[in-house]
Parts: sequence; structure tokens; C-alpha cells
Amino acid sequence: DIQMTQSPSSLSASVGDRVTLTCRASQGIRDSLAWYQQKPGKAPKLLLYATSRLESGVPSRFSGSGSGTHYTLTITSLQPEDFATYYCQQYYHTVLTFGPGTTVDIK
Amino acid sequence: QVQLQESGPGLVKPSETLSLTCTVSGASFSAYHWSWIRQSPGKELAWIGNIYYTGTTNYNPSLKSRVTISIDVSKNQFSLTLSSVTAADTAVYYCARDMGATWGQGIVVTVSS
Repeated sequence: DIQMTQSPSSLSASVGDRVTLTCRASQGIRDSLAWYQQKPGKAPKLLLYATSRLESGVPSRFSGSGSGTHYTLTITSLQPEDFATYYCQQYYHTVLTFGPGTTVDIK
Repeated sequence: QVQLQESGPGLVKPSETLSLTCTVSGASFSAYHWSWIRQSPGKELAWIGNIYYTGTTNYNPSLKSRVTISIDVSKNQFSLTLSSVTAADTAVYYCARDMGATWGQGIVVTVSS
């Protein structure tokens, strides 16, 4: 299986901050990378897929980039509703795998 | 829009079989893969497996010996069975379209006697 890691595991930020979350795959996944946002007690919500494609209805302050084994999610101008846990997921391999998540909380 | 809804018992006894169903509305059932994903308390998301409308399945190797995913296209439903459950199978179980484009609200399943 392809192992996914995320860093940092948590971060504290303020409204209006720019934050960057990192996701690494144990082998190349050819941009088959998705990002999800999860709030307590809710199902994850797809934000981006294919590394940088924004899911319909997701604000443009979310963006993704990367290639090979290294990927990032950037949130420009953090909003109150963005405080949540973010997961990356590779779907290049038949066995899909998720990262352990990065929790973004209020400083 | 696409909606998914999990159903099934919330409590299963150890060594017994967990059975859940996901009912899909608002989507062409034959156009996508349909997945089961679980999240143990305070832990990571874990993909269990998926099924295509043809019945072709893929499973997580860590669960493969205990998991069966089936589909009923006529009812727009797909199902999960997990045999010989233990406390480690206690989790929120989600059904989803494709790798996670749309999710159900999740169902809490507790394994306990």
C-alpha cells in the first residue's frame, strides 16, 4: 500500500492568515491526490482532487499543488469556518489511503 | 444532487457479522464506483473497499478476509458485511461515491457484548 504522511499534525492560526499543509506519499502517485475537510461530528468534505482541481462550490481561497510524492494545500486568508481537520488521500493505487490529518485551530 | 444514506444496526456483538446498507439517490448508479470508509474514534480514515455497478470489487488487504461488498442496482443500494468483528471494528462507517466525492452522514457502529 502507499503510505501517506501529513505535516504538521496540528497548527494554530488566526483569521486572515495564509496556511500551507503538506502531504507526502511513500511513492509517486501521479497527481492522484485529493484533499478533504472534516469538522467534528461531520463527514469529510471533498475540497480538491487531481492535486489542484477545486470541487464545485469550494471557495477559491483553497488551492493545491505538487507532484510526484510531495503535495500541498494552501488556504489564503483563513476564515472562521476553515478551522477543521484536513486529510489528504491518494487514489492512484487500487487501495486508497488517507493521511493522518492536520488540525487547524484558532490561535 | 447526489445523496447517500447509511443504515444498519448501531451495536454488534463480538465475533458476529456487521451488516450495513447505503442507499443512493440523485445519481446514475452505474456511472461510479461506490465505497465504504470507516473512522475509528480519534483515528484516521480507513478505506474498506469499493464496488462498481458490474459487481467488480476492490478491498483493503488488511480487511479482505472478512469483508464483502455487494450491490443491488435495482434498489440503488450497496452493502457492506464485515465478519468476526472485534472491538477494533468500532467506528463511524461512511459510504461514499468514488474515492469520496460525496459522503453519507455516517453511522456509528459499536462492537460490544
